Amino acid sequence: EVQLVQSGGGLVQPGGSLRLSCVDSSIAFSSYAMSWVRQAPGKGLEWIAYINSGGTTEYYADSVKGRFSISRDNAKNSLYLELNSLRAEDTAVYFCARVVVRWFDPWGQGTLVTVSS
Amino acid sequence: EIVLTQSPATLSLSPGETATLSCRASQSVTYLAWYQQKPGQAPRLVIDGASKRATGIPARFRGSGSGTDFTLTITSLEPEDFAVYYCQQRTNGLFTFGPGTSVDIK
Repeated sequence: EVQLVQSGGGLVQPGGSLRLSCVDSSIAFSSYAMSWVRQAPGKGLEWIAYINSGGTTEYYADSVKGRFSISRDNAKNSLYLELNSLRAEDTAVYFCARVVVRWFDPWGQGTLVTVSS
Repeated sequence: EIVLTQSPATLSLSPGETATLSCRASQSVTYLAWYQQKPGQAPRLVIDGASKRATGIPARFRGSGSGTDFTLTITSLEPEDFAVYYCQQRTNGLFTFGPGTSVDIK
């Protein structure tokens, strides 16, 4: 069974930075594109970033473009999200997810990022 | 950007009843997926490719539709089916989710 285990997250001040990590337990990590999806408290799901299997193509939602950066290390089966210039509205649970064709499966357990002074 | 609209926002039903959830796209989409999310948990893929059940999803879940109109039908609701359901599409590298339909116990 594929497992995505997330780490990082926590409380950060507005304007601050944070790095999220996601480790894939399977041997197939390098074969799949990956994404990050977030969910503000009490709200719906928002896709925010995508990276292809080789790490050469990235896409971002307009809400995070220029502030967040997605990356991966296939040798470490790891996915990352660098969050910069954080705002209160970035407060959310952040999920990593494998991209299979055009959908997400499986998902990580989620990690909470709180932006507050 | 393709916008997904889900209706109704909330569906109040009893166990054993049938839930019919709608997802409408602002433009025609090729593939649509449905996810189930319970409180405090990550979403779980239920339907992919508009009509294919994901691994481990029981047969009472059925996806249908094409173009701009899609439906998720859950027959004979079980207690574990009460959750929020989201539809999702991908076009031109960008992904969007619908706002969700909450299936509540009546």
